Amino acid sequence: NFMLTQPHSVSESPGKTVTISCTRSSGSIASNYVQWYQQRPGSSPTTVIYEDNQRPSGVPDRFSGSIDSSSNSASLTISGLKTEDEADYYCQSYDSSNQVFGGGTKLTVL
Amino acid sequence: EVQLVESGGGLVQPGGSLRLSCAASGFTFSSYWMHWVRQAPGKGLVWVSRINSDGSSTSYADSVKGRFTISRDNAKNTLYLQMNSLRAEDTAVYYCASYDFWSGYYISWGQGTLVTVSS
Repeated sequence: NFMLTQPHSVSESPGKTVTISCTRSSGSIASNYVQWYQQRPGSSPTTVIYEDNQRPSGVPDRFSGSIDSSSNSASLTISGLKTEDEADYYCQSYDSSNQVFGGGTKLTVL
Repeated sequence: EVQLVESGGGLVQPGGSLRLSCAASGFTFSSYWMHWVRQAPGKGLVWVSRINSDGSSTSYADSVKGRFTISRDNAKNTLYLQMNSLRAEDTAVYYCASYDFWSGYYISWGQGTLVTVSS
């Protein structure tokens, strides 16, 4: 089994850009799609990125995803930060037998 | 509108059992793999179990293997999780989620049901 490691927390000001990383411990980050979920306090998770860099309908284009094979990591970038973006963000991937979530990153917009 | 509504959570003593249900509507339930994901209070998301679209294949996290059983009734559009031999560390909000097999992502999530294991 592999692990996905995220920073515990990040903070940035409204209008700025923030990037959250997600590093895969073993196996190639490119071997299976990476997804990103947003979870606001008291709510269920919702998908903001799937298939590494695809946005579901309704998710603003301020949200973007990418993968970097050299660092074996995925990234979620949120530009033009809004106070409503303050939430926990989780990356997720899988292998043949398991689903794996990162530990989550708390984004504070201050 | 896609809806997943979990029920069956509650307070149970260590060693006890609970059966969670997840009622699905607004999509063709029988076409989708379904998963259970849990979240302990103040903690992150953890995958628990999954079942394929016709119920013929299941998989479990090591932490629940042999104690939990996932099943589904496609005629009733309902997913289940039978939880036996419950432990304090099983305390969590349990979410059911529909899953896109080809992309590997969770399409929709329920609102969750809280399971508390305590004496």
